[in-house]
Amino acid sequence: AQSVTQLDSHVSVSEGTPVLLRCNYSSSYSPSLFWYVQHPNKGLQLLLKYTSAATLVKGINGFEAEFKKSETSFHLTKPSAHMSDAAEYFCVVSFDNNDMRFGAGTRLTVKP
Amino acid sequence: NAGVTQTPKFRVLKTGQSMTLLCAQDMNHEYMYWYRQDPGMGLRLIHYSVGEGTTAKGEVPDGYNVSRLKKQNFLLGLESAAPSQTSVYFCASSLGLGGNTQYFGPGTRLTVL
Repeated sequence: AQSVTQLDSHVSVSEGTPVLLRCNYSSSYSPSLFWYVQHPNKGLQLLLKYTSAATLVKGINGFEAEFKKSETSFHLTKPSAHMSDAAEYFCVVSFDNNDMRFGAGTRLTVKP
Repeated sequence: NAGVTQTPKFRVLKTGQSMTLLCAQDMNHEYMYWYRQDPGMGLRLIHYSVGEGTTAKGEVPDGYNVSRLKKQNFLLGLESAAPSQTSVYFCASSLGLGGNTQYFGPGTRLTVL
């Protein structure tokens, strides 16, 4: 069975400090992996995706994520947080069929 | 391009009432999806469609029906609303399955009293 776990429901950082949002998945196959961001009262916007090319994926707004098969992880990072990064972030696992599973979400708070 | 649009944005229903949510996309995508978002649970797939005239059940289909009469539109119906259906509903579309990006609408906030 495939599933995705976001290890932190809430992460709080100070502006200018690094961001780490953690995501682990379980699967018997090599999945496609996504990170989406949702700002308050908005829809979801794609940050980045991994589809079996380079394991380090760069996304929009300075975010990147590294696919580590041995650890079944796809953690999202950013070197320096900005106030506008405050939002909810979803890790998503997708397979060749239509089985697309969303993590429960991580709320990122950025303190001035 | 408007992308994915949803109507209405907000709705309040009484238990037992019916309603239809409309999703429209102008990207010529074959695949369309309806999700519900509840606190602490991420998004869960209700129904999806792989092309005009087709629909299929997702993870939480009970209490909902869908139709895809036109490629650009995907309708979600609640025949007899229940308080458990209070949620935020998102529509999405994509070119294909698997590694294809899904594009999301802005959501519909539904409250069932």
